[in-house]
Amino acid sequence: QIQLVQSGPELKKPGESVKISCKASGYTFTDYAMHWVKQAPGKGLKWMGWINTYTGKPTYADDFKGRFVFSLEASASTANLQISNLKNEDTATYFCARVLDYWGQGVMVTVSS
Amino acid sequence: DIQMTQSPSSMSASLGDRVTITCQASQDIGNNLIWFQQKPGKSPRPMIYYATNLANGVPSRFSGSRSGSDYSLTISSLESEDMADYHCLQYKQYPRTFGGGTKLELK
Repeated sequence: QIQLVQSGPELKKPGESVKISCKASGYTFTDYAMHWVKQAPGKGLKWMGWINTYTGKPTYADDFKGRFVFSLEASASTANLQISNLKNEDTATYFCARVLDYWGQGVMVTVSS
Repeated sequence: DIQMTQSPSSMSASLGDRVTITCQASQDIGNNLIWFQQKPGKSPRPMIYYATNLANGVPSRFSGSRSGSDYSLTISSLESEDMADYHCLQYKQYPRTFGGGTKLELK
């Protein structure tokens, strides 16, 4: 069955970086784009962008240009999200989603001094 | 960017009630809309694709409809397991945009 399994929760300080992974199984990884979605505590969903898993080309929503990087380890069927220079407002759950039909379980990232 | 205006932001209803949640699109999105259900601590679950198509395994009490730029998710007879947050998403164009969400609670 199709599964997206994300890495575990993270506690970081402002200014640090974090890398979240999303390992896919049950389908051909390069056949479907991978999207990333942010959900701040108690808030709605915000689309961050997507990565073409065949070419590796990322596309970022305007609010996520600069400190956010989508990458792949295609041989491991894994998509990654790296956030640099973390800010308090990055505290959120981050989801990967295969073309928004199958979703990972989410990773809670807490940024606190 | 396409704005998705979702209403209400929260509502309470009784078991057996008919419940309707609406999203209004600021531009034409055709039928390119998904409704998600999200329970606390869980990832969103697609319920309705292409505005009106029920996803696999979704109970038939759920339905989606469209009237112009207004899209609705209806639960015909509310059950306790339906208490959750609901989100709409347009996938007509990039950037993809979500509605603000609706919190559905038991009265």
